[in-house]
Amino acid sequence: AQTVTQSQPEMSVQEAETVTLSCTYDTSESDYYLFWYKQPPSRQMILVIRQEAYKQQNATENRFSVNFQKAAKSFSLKISDSQLGDAAMYFCAYRSLGAGANSKLTFGKGITLSVRP
Amino acid sequence: SAVISQKPSRDICQRGTSLTIQCQVDSQVTMMFWYRQQPGQSLTLIATANQGSEATYESGFVIDKFPISRPNLTFSTLTVSNMSPEDSSIYLCSVGARSPYEQYFGPGTRLTVT
Repeated sequence: AQTVTQSQPEMSVQEAETVTLSCTYDTSESDYYLFWYKQPPSRQMILVIRQEAYKQQNATENRFSVNFQKAAKSFSLKISDSQLGDAAMYFCAYRSLGAGANSKLTFGKGITLSVRP
Repeated sequence: SAVISQKPSRDICQRGTSLTIQCQVDSQVTMMFWYRQQPGQSLTLIATANQGSEATYESGFVIDKFPISRPNLTFSTLTVSNMSPEDSSIYLCSVGARSPYEQYFGPGTRLTVT
């Protein structure tokens, strides 16, 4: 079974600064997807970024980028130019390719990010 | 992308009673997922629901406690039965996309059991 570990329960960043959220995972599969989800106080889960394991290039979405190290099974999220609206709980998640769209997500415990004005 | 709605958005219930949560999707999907998020915790999968067949439950969750219906390709319900305060959680409905394999979530139902 796959596991996802987020060892930092909380982090804080100054507005406009950069912060990196860590995530490691364990799997015996070679093909899979990794995701970062954001959950603000509204509790709506919002997809921030995704990474296909077969792609060596790190995914980027505007101010959000990942550092994907497949051999080390590491998948960190970097938020640049942090904004007050980035304050939320962030979850790292793993998804197998085996069952396609029917595969479930395995989540880490999450990290609460606060942004200081 | 898929737009998912859930009803109710929140409820306060007495112990021993049951609550049925509805999940509606704006497009046809094969599989729907139900997650539980206990206060301040991560999401835990309760079960996956395929239209026309019995739901598949994860370890620690049983059908008698969390019966699920999936009458068609756009709708599902999750019932939380014989509730206790430990059932106080956010319950989220989710569907998977065919490509690029991301998963979409409903807004969640916040349940408080007193």
